[in-house]
Amino acid sequence: DQQVKQNSPSLSVQEGRISILNCDYTNSMFDYFLWYKKYPAEGPTFLISISSIKDKNEDGRFTVFLNKSAKHLSLHIVPSQPGDSAVYFCAAENQGGKLIFGQGTELSVKP
Amino acid sequence: ETGVTQSPTHLIKTRGQQVTLRCSSQSGHNTVSWYQQALGQGPQFIFQYYREEENGRGNFPPRFSGLQFPNYSSELNVNALELDDSALYLCASNMRGQGSYEQYFGPGTRLTVT
Repeated sequence: DQQVKQNSPSLSVQEGRISILNCDYTNSMFDYFLWYKKYPAEGPTFLISISSIKDKNEDGRFTVFLNKSAKHLSLHIVPSQPGDSAVYFCAAENQGGKLIFGQGTELSVKP
Repeated sequence: ETGVTQSPTHLIKTRGQQVTLRCSSQSGHNTVSWYQQALGQGPQFIFQYYREEENGRGNFPPRFSGLQFPNYSSELNVNALELDDSALYLCASNMRGQGSYEQYFGPGTRLTVT
């Protein structure tokens, strides 16, 4: 069973515009959510996280929103830059401290 | 400070064979986790090692096994390889007690089983 889902395999955005990446989860016991970014031939790198007790966390151009009632989170990147082109993974941390990843969304930011 | 390294980068094996993948943790890290990333999927947790003992396991059969050494480097062993084992294998290290965001990933080993 897929506890963390990213239903959009790809997203294409114009440079300077907002990128919105979405993630849904099924387990209401998750208490921490993270976004990772992955370039080809590199491992995933941590981008931003949010605790389940919050609904928003912002770090520069990146903001993560959490809607617990809908079991949904989103990552906003504004303004988008060509260097943001990568695969973005949403992940949830379970009670054992282990990460459960979504399938990923490939973001392409066009100049 | 050296990052997480993995070897080899790529590997081709035949069904039924055995394979060993290696990981060197980031300096100062005592916990290592292994993940399998199939094509078009996100990384799936295989298991974690802390102080040379398995500390949690995902939904993978016993033919997936691991080792952690006193210097905190690690190995992932897969016996009786199947075609579905073809994937990118990632290891990640951190200090026990740190949040998951402190987990640093290596570049991965691409395993192809034919």
